[in-house]
Amino acid sequence: DTGVSQDPRHKITKRGQNVTFRCDPISEHNRLYWYRQTLGQGPEFLTYFQNEAQLEKSRLLSDRFSAERPKGSFSTLEIQRTEQGDSAMYLCASSPEGASYEQYFGPGTRLTVT
Amino acid sequence: SQQGEEDPQALSIQEGENATMNCSYKTSINNLQWYRQNSGRGLVHLILIRSNEREKHSGRLRVTLDTSKKSSSLLITASRAADTASYFCATDALLAVGGADGLTFGKGTHLIIQP
Repeated sequence: DTGVSQDPRHKITKRGQNVTFRCDPISEHNRLYWYRQTLGQGPEFLTYFQNEAQLEKSRLLSDRFSAERPKGSFSTLEIQRTEQGDSAMYLCASSPEGASYEQYFGPGTRLTVT
Repeated sequence: SQQGEEDPQALSIQEGENATMNCSYKTSINNLQWYRQNSGRGLVHLILIRSNEREKHSGRLRVTLDTSKKSSSLLITASRAADTASYFCATDALLAVGGADGLTFGKGTHLIIQP
């Protein structure tokens, strides 16, 4: 396993459309995180899973955002009715279970909403 | 919301010089981490320092942590052109009820190493 992978790497969509991104974490990592990064800013935490349980989702930006990790392996992040303000880089990270571990980030999915 | 604030926002130095970046944060933490992000690449973990540690080294990197001042510094010695990147500090909040949470990042310091 060479690291966290994300698909697609780039997505261009029209306002109002739904989009879904996929993240495959490092296989032995229980925890999976989603972040959003806009230009000139650091990543902003959205949500995280421990195995298949979504333990924190209050930071999701609106009810248009949802995430799943159905079998505790890969995860998807869906944005419904996209808006231009959703244009950003969406990053996924994974880590082993435990309170103090570094997170391993994927290359991100760059979303452009036109 | 962004908890950490890196200082300076941008730094340009000559190759071979040392680069120092600072980070301040607001709440109690489990640990503090530094990440690097190159143009077009993802975030790469550099070093993690726990709240009960004061200093840590890794190769050309030296990190200090002062929990009383809620601040940290990252020193890169003998800089190289390949060190050109954005550097972010990230904190892992100390939660009242065990467990972990997502990292809270600052806005980053953009470091340019002039050849």
